[in-house]
Amino acid sequence: GEDVEQSLFLSVREGDSSVINCTYTDSSSTYLYWYKQEPGAGLQLLTYIFSNMDMKQDQRLTVLLNKKDKHLSLRIADTQTGDSAIYFCAESIKGGYNKLIFGAGTRLAVHP
Amino acid sequence: DTEVTQTPKHLVMGMTNKKSLKCEQHMGHRAMYWYKQKAKKPPELMFVYSYEKLSINESVPSRFSPECPNSSLLNLHLHALQPEDSALYLCASSQEVTEPKNIQYFGAGTRLSVL
Repeated sequence: GEDVEQSLFLSVREGDSSVINCTYTDSSSTYLYWYKQEPGAGLQLLTYIFSNMDMKQDQRLTVLLNKKDKHLSLRIADTQTGDSAIYFCAESIKGGYNKLIFGAGTRLAVHP
Repeated sequence: DTEVTQTPKHLVMGMTNKKSLKCEQHMGHRAMYWYKQKAKKPPELMFVYSYEKLSINESVPSRFSPECPNSSLLNLHLHALQPEDSALYLCASSQEVTEPKNIQYFGAGTRLSVL
């Protein structure tokens, strides 16, 4: 079945690291994505990882993929107030058309 | 440039009105998508266009009518909507619908209120 699960809320202090977790069920997923949505805005692609990779780093963002456990995480180093947003994990289901399956989103709140 | 432009940003319409949402991209992408997003929920796929042809309709009511006049433009025509259709409507595009070229880039959305 197709299902992506995320915890709904995370609160961190400014300057700390944030870790947002995601689990997915479809073992045929080949790409996994992290999108950021600020209030009233569209979805901004943050990063993505191909399923044959374990880790991808892009400036303050680190994505870890454990394909055996179907677990994906996004670490944001030195979290800033501008990082406050909803973060969606998504998997790409392989087929004639590659459908994105989104998690429910994790609301990240950054406080001083 | 990974920009998808949607207009208008906000739209208020009555249940008897006819309106259209517009989406434009100049990235040379051949796949375009409409999503609906209710508050505190993830986006839900509505339609997929591939090479200007409708590929996927996720059982969307006929009061929503998509149109792809050319490879850069995607419209969503609205008629006789219901208050429960109030939502953020997101457009996205990708190079193609199949991997590895289906990384989707989203617009800022149109926030629709149906009175």
